[in-house]
Amino acid sequence: KAGVTQTPRYLIKTRGQQVTLSCSPISGHRSVSWYQQTPGQGLQFLFEYFSETQRNKGNFPGRFSGRQFSNSRSEMNVSTLELGDSALYLCASSLADGSYNEQFFGPGTRLTVL
Amino acid sequence: AQSVAQPEDQVNVAEGNPLTVKCTYSVSGNPYLFWYVQYPNRGLQFLLKYITGDNLVKGSYGFEAEFNKSQTSFHLKKPSALVSDSALYFCAVRGSRSNDYKLSFGAGTTVTVRA
Repeated sequence: KAGVTQTPRYLIKTRGQQVTLSCSPISGHRSVSWYQQTPGQGLQFLFEYFSETQRNKGNFPGRFSGRQFSNSRSEMNVSTLELGDSALYLCASSLADGSYNEQFFGPGTRLTVL
Repeated sequence: AQSVAQPEDQVNVAEGNPLTVKCTYSVSGNPYLFWYVQYPNRGLQFLLKYITGDNLVKGSYGFEAEFNKSQTSFHLKKPSALVSDSALYFCAVRGSRSNDYKLSFGAGTTVTVRA
């Protein structure tokens, strides 16, 4: 069974631009979560989607948004990029509802904002 | 609000020696606890989890973790460390209540196993 895939793997943008990252979960997984990983802040939760509905949201500004499609694939969008948005963005999927299910992570998208 | 603390930024051990990575947590209600490992330029890999039942949980690659409710701890252990265990380890907690569903991670502990 294929793992979680994320595209693109690397991205370079300039301040003020916007970016869209994509995540394809493991087949059959309906929950998709997004995280931002930086050396200074560690792993921070962005949001979680389940059956196309945002179920949980972290403490990020409204510039960060996401959505989930009917096939469980998910995208996250960051508008008006800032230098501080440079990070590794990780997507994770899990089988179903229920907080006891472990999440499976993709390799991440490395975003650099210049 | 839920939180996780990993008190050690780095753990250094010799190959063949026991390895322990410490984790304490805070959450309302029953905790769901997880350990993940991250190798350079890779995503996180799931190692093990505690949901309920036996306090000693066994996971992948010979790792195990002990849940201690009174000390709110979930320490990761390996009886005999390998050089290939050198990586970044994360402890995470999720609550059982609907407002605690997000997965909260600790800051991570870098493990270095020397030959």
